[in-house]
Amino acid sequence: GAGVSQSPSNKVTEKGKDVELRCDPISGHTALYWYRQSLGQGLEFLIYFQGNSAPDKSGLPSDRFSAERTGGSVSTLTIQRTQQEDSAVYLCASSLWGNNEQFFGPGTRLTVL
Amino acid sequence: DQQVKQNSPSLSVQEGRISILNCDYTNSMFDYFLWYKKYPAEGPTFLISISSIKDKNEDGRFTVFLNKSAKHLSLHIVPSQPGDSAVYFCAAPDAGGTSYGKLTFGQGTILTVHP
Repeated sequence: GAGVSQSPSNKVTEKGKDVELRCDPISGHTALYWYRQSLGQGLEFLIYFQGNSAPDKSGLPSDRFSAERTGGSVSTLTIQRTQQEDSAVYLCASSLWGNNEQFFGPGTRLTVL
Repeated sequence: DQQVKQNSPSLSVQEGRISILNCDYTNSMFDYFLWYKKYPAEGPTFLISISSIKDKNEDGRFTVFLNKSAKHLSLHIVPSQPGDSAVYFCAAPDAGGTSYGKLTFGQGTILTVHP
């Protein structure tokens, strides 16, 4: 069966440019999460969506970061005016709500030059 | 403030021996814990979990122990196999009192199992 997919797998951009990262969750999963892993660090929570509820944006590091989830399925994480410190692997996960097991995608490696 | 800590960045063991990965936490509201395993260029995969009402949970070669008074948990892998070589993360749901929701992760421990 299809797992969580993310695109692109790698993204190299110049400082100051905007980027969009895409996540396709497992069909039927109502909860969707974004995390990022910087070099040598653990996973850092960014934002999560649950059904039609307002997203929990408490982990977004600045107002340059935003995310949306359309139709309760696909999600896009947008980073505006990228900075070098935004370089990281961005991971998306989905789960059935109330279920502790989150299924992760392979991640998007973002490099800001 | 690092609420979940894995103080050993790496661990090296011989095939067939026991691997013990440790994790400490500071938030007393955490009462459910998960271990994830991550191979290079892949996303983390769920391995095993434990609720605070238990002090041990076993699944095949993997056992997780929880010491609530010490705010400490450990993952034991017996016997270790070369295919277990990966980064291991412990994590806790951040909602406090739930077993689901956004996770707070430790920094990870790189396990290398030598043949």
